[in-house]
Amino acid sequence: NAGVTQTPKFRILKIGQSMTLQCTQDMNHNYMYWYRQDPGMGLKLIYYSVGAGITDKGEVPNGYNVSRSTTEDFPLRLELAAPSQTSVYFCASSPPLAGGSEQYFGPGTRLTVT
Amino acid sequence: QKEVEQDPGPLSVPEGAIVSLNCTYSNSAFQYFMWYRQYSRKGPELLMYTYSSGNKEDGRFTAQVDKSSKYISLFIRDSQPSDSATYLCAMSDNSGTYKYIFGTGTRLKVLA
Repeated sequence: NAGVTQTPKFRILKIGQSMTLQCTQDMNHNYMYWYRQDPGMGLKLIYYSVGAGITDKGEVPNGYNVSRSTTEDFPLRLELAAPSQTSVYFCASSPPLAGGSEQYFGPGTRLTVT
Repeated sequence: QKEVEQDPGPLSVPEGAIVSLNCTYSNSAFQYFMWYRQYSRKGPELLMYTYSSGNKEDGRFTAQVDKSSKYISLFIRDSQPSDSATYLCAMSDNSGTYKYIFGTGTRLKVLA
């Protein structure tokens, strides 16, 4: 049982490039989330999904897109990368209990845009 | 005013001390409250969650929620150097949106 896995661990992008951050969970959780964490700023919700085929925006969705075609996978797409998207990105999942309160996080992807 | 406020620290304590970590919030609709521990360059790890008011204890950790004061606390008894990490609070309302608002985190150092 691997939990939540994320790839890649690190990535450097040039301004204007695109990439997809991968997230997979093997706990059969309905709910999945993408957060970004900037120094001293806590975690900000980018997008979330309550099940396959259903996604919705969080606090900071601009510049990102998501899809959820399976229960296990929740990729995050960056189009036209900008320096403001330099951050650590965390994917999380939770079971449909207690308001989704038991969120389990992946190890993160460190992204630098130069 | 931020929805969730948390002192960033760092908070330095000697080994064995009782640690008190706190968050205040402004949204009276928050019902779910969580505490996470995050080691450097790692993902957050869920420590405890509580629903509505009251206390919850798990080993050396106790979480308290005071909804009348919009104040939550995490107490760590007999603190250990391995407790040195950043502690994040998070909270959500009962609207079914599953959107959690996180505090900025408090960095804790437990000195041996």
